[in-house]
Amino acid sequence: QKEVEQDPGPLSVPEGAIVSLNCTYSNSAFQYFMWYRQYSRKGPELLMYTYSSGNKEDGRFTAQVDKSSKYISLFIRDSQPSDSATYLCAFSTDSWGKLQFGAGTQVVVTP
Amino acid sequence: DAMVIQNPRYQVTQFGKPVTLSCSQTLNHNVMYWYQQKSSQAPKLLFHYYDKDFNNEADTPDNFQSRRPNTSFCFLDIRSPGLGDAAMYLCATSRDRQTFVGFGPGTRLTVT
Repeated sequence: QKEVEQDPGPLSVPEGAIVSLNCTYSNSAFQYFMWYRQYSRKGPELLMYTYSSGNKEDGRFTAQVDKSSKYISLFIRDSQPSDSATYLCAFSTDSWGKLQFGAGTQVVVTP
Repeated sequence: DAMVIQNPRYQVTQFGKPVTLSCSQTLNHNVMYWYQQKSSQAPKLLFHYYDKDFNNEADTPDNFQSRRPNTSFCFLDIRSPGLGDAAMYLCATSRDRQTFVGFGPGTRLTVT
């Protein structure tokens, strides 16, 4: 079993729709939970982060962590074509830098 | 005003020919990381430096080495590239282990 599972997509949605992304993980020692966005041929960019279970909201983005189910989610409201990218979940046990990534979900938002 | 710079952005090397990738940062961050990302795969941590202290991941092949001559620069050396080493190599930095990581734009390595 992989330590992190993430559906690769592609996930295609019309502009304005809600994008729903998720990852499951098996390592109960993970304490840091992150979502990165990666545009084609660019480095990942940190979108959201949390250290605990629950919800965190930042503008159009909401991140959810359920430690009991080992499941994290990212929701993008009012999606825009500029949100078209690959979204990577990332986890760490003891620091923000030593990250275990998911393989990424490609999202395409069509005008 | 890029803060993590990787050079070159695209590198082509021949099978078995040593290659060096470069990363520089203007942030004065203590920690620098190298990740390898193969096509459609998750980025994988190769090693990191905390200041001058080198930390290798257990499954990083011996073919990969790194140097950090000063705070600003970090190099990734691939001694004998194989076809399986073709990937995007991402440099990242953080102020310390308890702060967030920012990634550079990556160097895409092709091995012919």
